[in-house]
Amino acid sequence: AQTVTQSQPEMSVQEAETVTLSCTYDTSESDYYLFWYKQPPSRQMILVIRQEAYKQQNATENRFSVNFQKAAKSFSLKISDSQLGDAAMYFCAYRRETSGSRLTFGEGTQLTVNP
Amino acid sequence: DVKVTQSSRYLVKRTGEKVFLECVQDMDHENMFWYRQDPGLGLRLIYFSYDVKMKEKGDIPEGYSVSREKKERFSLILESASTNQTSMYLCASSPGAANTGELFFGEGSRLTVL
Repeated sequence: AQTVTQSQPEMSVQEAETVTLSCTYDTSESDYYLFWYKQPPSRQMILVIRQEAYKQQNATENRFSVNFQKAAKSFSLKISDSQLGDAAMYFCAYRRETSGSRLTFGEGTQLTVNP
Repeated sequence: DVKVTQSSRYLVKRTGEKVFLECVQDMDHENMFWYRQDPGLGLRLIYFSYDVKMKEKGDIPEGYSVSREKKERFSLILESASTNQTSMYLCASSPGAANTGELFFGEGSRLTVL
């Protein structure tokens, strides 16, 4: 079974600084997808960024980028120029190529942004 | 705009009660999911459905059942609530096959069982 591990239960960053959230996963598959989701306080979880395993280029969405290391099974999220609105719980998630939309989530990392 | 609506944000029930959590999506999505969120455990999949009247067990189905009589509605049922089912419950939906895998979530239902 696939597992996703986020080893940082809590992280903090100063406004305008950069922070990196870690995620590792375990799979025997070669084709899969990885995701970072954001859950703001008392609000809906939303997708931040997605990476297809067959793509060597790291995904980027504005201030959010990933460092995807397939051999190491590592998928970290970098947030640049952190803003107060980035404060949230962040979840890393994995999906097999053939599993429809069934995702396996990590434990989550609570990010605090200090003004 | 994409919308997944969960009927109750907060519920308080007593041990042994039957509990219904309702979820409705307005995006004509084929797939619907129920997750449970607990601190330090992340999200764990309870049940999911890829079509009307179809259901599949997730990773932690014990103590739960589901119903999907209409495409837009997916209900989670706790036949006899227990205190260890106190949790945040998240409903999600996604389009059918050949989709990007993105899930669209509701705001969550926080259930307390006394």
